[in-house]
Order: sequence, then structure tokens, then C-alpha cells
Amino acid sequence: GAGVSQSPSNKVTEKGKDVELRCDPISGHTALYWYRQSLGQGLEFLIYFQGNSAPDKSGLPSDRFSAERTGGSVSTLTIQRTQQEDSAVYLCASSSQGTAQETQYFGPGTRLLVL
Amino acid sequence: SQQGEEDPQALSIQEGENATMNCSYKTSINNLQWYRQNSGRGLVHLILIRSNEREKHSGRLRVTLDTSKKSSSLLITASRAADTASYFCATDDSGNTPLVFGKGTRLSVIA
Repeated sequence: GAGVSQSPSNKVTEKGKDVELRCDPISGHTALYWYRQSLGQGLEFLIYFQGNSAPDKSGLPSDRFSAERTGGSVSTLTIQRTQQEDSAVYLCASSSQGTAQETQYFGPGTRLLVL
Repeated sequence: SQQGEEDPQALSIQEGENATMNCSYKTSINNLQWYRQNSGRGLVHLILIRSNEREKHSGRLRVTLDTSKKSSSLLITASRAADTASYFCATDDSGNTPLVFGKGTRLSVIA
């Protein structure tokens, strides 16, 4: 595709419900990243997929958070039993090969509000 | 893990003035990147500077890197209202992914 896309754009949910956020990376990009950005804050790394390697999950804040990347393309970030502190913008990015000197291309984000 | 820290947190200037933002980091790096974010949405890559480079230009942007001080600056010359955004630096950790982003500088350019 032309760029990284994310869906939904906005999600409002009740505390305790599960949510799924989707990311479609740029076609052919082997690396995919998930970040979380709370209001007025910087980006907090969550998880990183690189090709067929085991994902780097070191940034996931709790076991309520998980992510999958199917077929090396689309990724889904799942938050179980959502809490109010999960409210944030969730950003996805992809890059060609996953090296540190590459540009990361970001999607528009999903704004999650947990009531 | 290390983190870039931008300074100032917020900056307000008049259109036409220059805007300077600084970034400090903690450990050795191979590269440092600057990104811009409009309206709390996706980030857009601006420029990458390698650890063996001291200065880099791209249009109205000038980036410097001082590895001895572990700091970088982003200068936007002749600012425009459209430059209003948050600006983030991102560093690797000796060339490793993922990048680590700072908290950003919120720039407001007043017409």
C-alpha cells in the first residue's frame, strides 16, 4: 500500500473489555513496530517484529497486552481487560529491513479511550 | 534503556523566526533521527544524522550532533505556521533497534 494504515481510527470501550487494534504496514516492509503515546508524552515502545524472528516483546507493559503478525504483514495488537490507564494513542510503524539507520514510517494511530 | 530528552518541552515563536530544539541522550549511538508529529497522530521522518557526522542540512532544517556531549540540535530557519508540531529525536543504542524516542518539543509558530 501507499503507507501504513491503522484501524480503527478511534475506539471507545468500557473498562474490562478486550480491544483489537490493526496495523497494515507498507507492502514489503519486514519490520513492524507498535508504540503507545499517552497525552502529551513521548512514544513508548511496545513490541517489534522483524521477519520470521521471534518478536521483541520487552516493551509490553503487562500480560494483558499481546500482538501477532500474520504472514509477515498485518499485525494485531490486543489489549485484554482494558483499564483506564490504557487510554492512549497506539501507533504502528514499519521499516524496510528493521535496522536502526532506517526511516520508520508511521500510521495515523488509533486513539483508544477506556471509560 | 536510554532515552533522548528534548529541550525545551514547549516553544512558541513568531513566523519568520528561527526555532532551535535540543536533544540529549545517554549511551553511545550509531544514528540519531528527528521526527515531526502533527496533531498527536503519526510521525514523519525529517532527517537522520550518523555518529560520524557533525552537521546535516535538509531545506530549512539544520541538524547538529555532538557525540562528546551526547547531544543534538534541530534548527528550523524562517519558521512558518505550518511548522507547528511536536518534534521528537530518536536514538538507537549502539545501532540496535528499536529506536528510543524522547518526549518531544511542542513548537507553536504564530502567524
